[in-house]
Amino acid sequence: SQQGEEDPQALSIQEGENATMNCSYKTSINNLQWYRQNSGRGLVHLILIRSNEREKHSGRLRVTLDTSKKSSSLLITASRAADTASYFCASPVRGGYQKVTFGTGTKLQVIP
Amino acid sequence: DGGITQSPKYLFRKEGQNVTLSCEQNLNHDAMYWYRQDPGQGLRLIYYSQIVNDFQKGDIAEGYSVSREKKESFPLTVTSAQKNPTAFYLCASSPGVTSGSETQYFGPGTRLLVL
Repeated sequence: SQQGEEDPQALSIQEGENATMNCSYKTSINNLQWYRQNSGRGLVHLILIRSNEREKHSGRLRVTLDTSKKSSSLLITASRAADTASYFCASPVRGGYQKVTFGTGTKLQVIP
Repeated sequence: DGGITQSPKYLFRKEGQNVTLSCEQNLNHDAMYWYRQDPGQGLRLIYYSQIVNDFQKGDIAEGYSVSREKKESFPLTVTSAQKNPTAFYLCASSPGVTSGSETQYFGPGTRLLVL
């Protein structure tokens, strides 16, 4: 079963614009992770935010977490064509340490 | 050059045939995972292993088998019982419970096609 669901499913923006994608999850979490997948490749870890954190930054990435709403958002600022990829949120399943379930992903296209 | 490798990149299976996908890591990670990804879909967990000689079924284990005889290796066999095996298979590893790190590191994937 899917723990996380991303929204929107697809997003197309111009280079230089900001991209925001959202993730909703179902059960209580210890942390939430975001990954990127380029077409036909494996996933690459971007950032992890713990349940006691509200916001975290890494370069052009900003992640927020609202545990009361069971939601997270990933903001990519000043997007580049190289940011074109699918983005997934992932969270550990309760009672299953190190077992992580992934959402269905947001497919981002950045137009040069 | 540390990392996680998968082979082959493409694999073709005939009806009724078992095939084995290789996954090797030299990151000294305790935990390893196999996921299946269908077009436009997220990842679904097939099997995972938190330590050598131990593994657990994930959400879609039917028709698949694994072994974990060595820390570095976690091969996945797609058996003839798996009626719809065409998909992209991803292997991942993570440091393990004692490290406190839950980040997963992924291989490049194997695309399995049925002839």
